[in-house]
Amino acid sequence: GAVVSQHPSWVICKSGTSVKIECRSLDFQATTMFWYRQFPKQSLMLMATSNEGSKATYEQGVEKDKFLINHASLTLSTLTVTSAHPEDSSFYICSATGTGTFFEQFFGPGTRLTVL
Amino acid sequence: QKEVEQDPGPLSVPEGAIVSLNCTYSNSAFQYFMWYRQYSRKGPELLMYTYSSGNKEDGRFTAQVDKSSKYISLFIRDSQPSDSATYLCARGGGADGLTFGKGTHLIIQP
Repeated sequence: GAVVSQHPSWVICKSGTSVKIECRSLDFQATTMFWYRQFPKQSLMLMATSNEGSKATYEQGVEKDKFLINHASLTLSTLTVTSAHPEDSSFYICSATGTGTFFEQFFGPGTRLTVL
Repeated sequence: QKEVEQDPGPLSVPEGAIVSLNCTYSNSAFQYFMWYRQYSRKGPELLMYTYSSGNKEDGRFTAQVDKSSKYISLFIRDSQPSDSATYLCARGGGADGLTFGKGTHLIIQP
């Protein structure tokens, strides 16, 4: 299957700082990328959908000014958590679909964010 | 009511047993259904997908969808300790993000 990578795999930051998480499709062109958040013992919750070259679409309740998403190329999407607070501590996972993959979403390994 | 309901478990069975994992959904417009497996602190990996009622088999795994009762199941035959993980059902796909169930934590006892 197609491979999606995320960087970093874990990050610890101080409250009030911003953190950028990268999501890359390594062997296919990702026309659409998705960002999910998963709290401990909870399911994955879709945060936003991004298509290359256009603005992301955010799910209800997700602050677009806090979670900045950039999908600048067909292989890279970034999620920036601005002015992070302890309640933003979570597991952030991206997924991607591309030409020929249709409905199958390939998931990255996730990024664990801890805000002190 | 959540769109996809799933019992979080944990579900503990002995090695070699047949495992039955289930989900219900509320929106009849759902077309595609998937089962993902997630190990601790890892991203989910797709096990199976289906878009029609009936059974789909892949090795030790069988996915079953009953659209009349809005019920989806995953059966694992000859369960192994390596099958211990969280199993997530999901609906959606294509240009839409996935809606996941809460996930069932499965433990296979050696």
